[in-house]
Amino acid sequence: EVQLVESGGGLVQPGGSLRLSCVASGFIFSTYEMNWVRQAPGKGLEWVSYISSSNVIYYADSVKGRFTISRDNATLYLQMNSLRAEDTALYYCARRLRLDYWGQGTLVTVSS
Amino acid sequence: QSVLTQPPSASGTPGQRVTISCSGSGSNIGSNTVNWYQQLPGTAPKLLIYFNNQRPSGVPDRFSGSKSGTSASLAISGLQSDDEADYYCASWDDSLNGYVFGTGTKVTVL
Repeated sequence: EVQLVESGGGLVQPGGSLRLSCVASGFIFSTYEMNWVRQAPGKGLEWVSYISSSNVIYYADSVKGRFTISRDNATLYLQMNSLRAEDTALYYCARRLRLDYWGQGTLVTVSS
Repeated sequence: QSVLTQPPSASGTPGQRVTISCSGSGSNIGSNTVNWYQQLPGTAPKLLIYFNNQRPSGVPDRFSGSKSGTSASLAISGLQSDDEADYYCASWDDSLNGYVFGTGTKVTVL
């Protein structure tokens, strides 16, 4: 069974940093592309970043230069720096560009 | 800001057919395939349709997708109370080099 479990969210002040993790199981992680998608409270879905199995990377303009996606054996990461209030959201990791499996999300709150 | 436009709401009575539109442009829907997601209240989104009209295993055939030019649509036939959810279309955008979601449509079963 495919499982994705995010962690690392929390309350952080504007300008601060957080590192999110997504532990994958139930499939050969190294062969799949992965994504981060976020959803601000009461709002729609926003794609954040993509990483291929060969580390081709794309970012949304809203996070470019501040967020860094990476991966290792069975974990996907999102390093978030220079956080802003508008980054407050539930952050999901999702498999493949079609986003066929999603985790339950980890909440990031940016507030002073 | 969403690049793909959907109606904010749609509704129907049990058993009816509901259709949700998704309007894009040549750099996204016009050049790439469309996926649809269902998000039940308080849960993570779920892939409903991929490659314009393909259903993942486990998705009932009451859900169908289509695409024409720079627009796509999702149809739900035999509407059920369990179908009350938010629905999002999405596609890759070649100009943005990113994945873009629709504005989302809330489906209500009357």
